[in-house]
Amino acid sequence: GQQVMQIPQYQHVQEGEDFTTYCNSSTTLSNIQWYKQRPGGHPVFLIQLVKSGEVKKQKRLTFQFGEAKKNSSLHITATQTTDVGTYFCAGQSSGNQFYFGTGTSLTVIP
Amino acid sequence: DAGVTQSPTHLIKTRGQHVTLRCSPISGHKSVSWYQQVLGQGPQFIFQYYEKEERGRGNFPDRFSARQFPNYSSELNVNALLLGDSALYLCASSFRGSLVETQYFGPGTRLLVL
Repeated sequence: GQQVMQIPQYQHVQEGEDFTTYCNSSTTLSNIQWYKQRPGGHPVFLIQLVKSGEVKKQKRLTFQFGEAKKNSSLHITATQTTDVGTYFCAGQSSGNQFYFGTGTSLTVIP
Repeated sequence: DAGVTQSPTHLIKTRGQHVTLRCSPISGHKSVSWYQQVLGQGPQFIFQYYEKEERGRGNFPDRFSARQFPNYSSELNVNALLLGDSALYLCASSFRGSLVETQYFGPGTRLLVL
């Protein structure tokens, strides 16, 4: 079956350092979405990428969709303590369901 | 406008019992999806409903069932509970449930099976 893997599983950074999480799918995706889940909370939608090679920015966050539409990345510049949480990618291929990745838990040390 | 609401917020059951979880989507949204999130893992898709019809089903046993009502609210039922069913159950709503829509998640129901 379809699998969406994320690396790293955990990341600890000093406040102000950059952070990147990578998402890889075993199959080609029609689109990919990124979510952030704070500890004890629920996933909150961040962004959706649809086009091959697409790059989108939201302030300090940069999202990329690979040319083959099988991988994606989220990069945060100059992390802040408010960035703490688990970041999930969710890929959609054929059919009407999303396959969430395994998540990357980000800890920011003040 | 209220976001996605779910009830109850927490639930404790014993093995073999059944449970019903409820979800009300954002006003105007016609699609509801259910996810199971085991501690430390990403959400796993269970069902999607649109206009009261099942549109998608994940890899879950027949003990899991759901339905959507005319007002677009939804129920998730789990029979013969197992310890492994302990998880956060998330409901997400979207307008049409299409491939490129944003999903809005509710706060979830935390189910503990003893």
